[in-house]
Amino acid sequence: GAGVSQTPSNKVTEKGKYVELRCDPISGHTALYWYRQSLGQGPEFLIYFQGTGAADDSGLPNDRFFAVRPEGSVSTLKIQRTERGDSAVYLCASSLTGLGGTSYNEQFFGPGTRLTVL
Amino acid sequence: GQNIDQPTEMTATEGAIVQINCTYQTSGFNGLFWYQQHAGEAPTFLSYNVLDGLEEKGRFSSFLSRSKGYSYLLLKELQMKDSASYLCAVRVPSGGYQKVTFGTGTKLQVIP
Repeated sequence: GAGVSQTPSNKVTEKGKYVELRCDPISGHTALYWYRQSLGQGPEFLIYFQGTGAADDSGLPNDRFFAVRPEGSVSTLKIQRTERGDSAVYLCASSLTGLGGTSYNEQFFGPGTRLTVL
Repeated sequence: GQNIDQPTEMTATEGAIVQINCTYQTSGFNGLFWYQQHAGEAPTFLSYNVLDGLEEKGRFSSFLSRSKGYSYLLLKELQMKDSASYLCAVRVPSGGYQKVTFGTGTKLQVIP
């Protein structure tokens, strides 16, 4: 596709439920990032994939959060036993290559998934 | 740790010039980004600075001083459509790779 796409655009769930958020990066982009953005805040880094592997998952808040990218393209962010504090917009971004070296490798963001935990 | 500071809100008049400041204290530095984010939309890239000095791109310019841990985004000939949040983000080393840490953003309101 022309840009990064994310599904669903909105997800409402109940406390304790399991959710999956999907990201389709720009074709050919090897690097993929997940961020979480709360109202009035900047994006908070969660995890970064280089190809199929998670190069940096230091931003995942706890073991309820997990992300995969099995074929190096589409990625799924999985949240178990959701809590009301997980409510936020989850942003996905991709770049042509990773953040190594001196090239800045602009990140292209998707429209986000708005997660609401009741 | 990483600390990136920006003013929370600013107001400016259509046609004027506005400067949005960003100061940072980070563990390492490999470049600074500015992004624009309209309400309810994804951030879009504006500029990248890795060396000291001014980078100009049309109505937008970005300045960096690494010794002072300081950057600013300059918007000229403001238009109503420039009303948005402006995010300062710093690229820092992380576990053999690098990651981008964002500030909280500056919400700019352009008034007639």
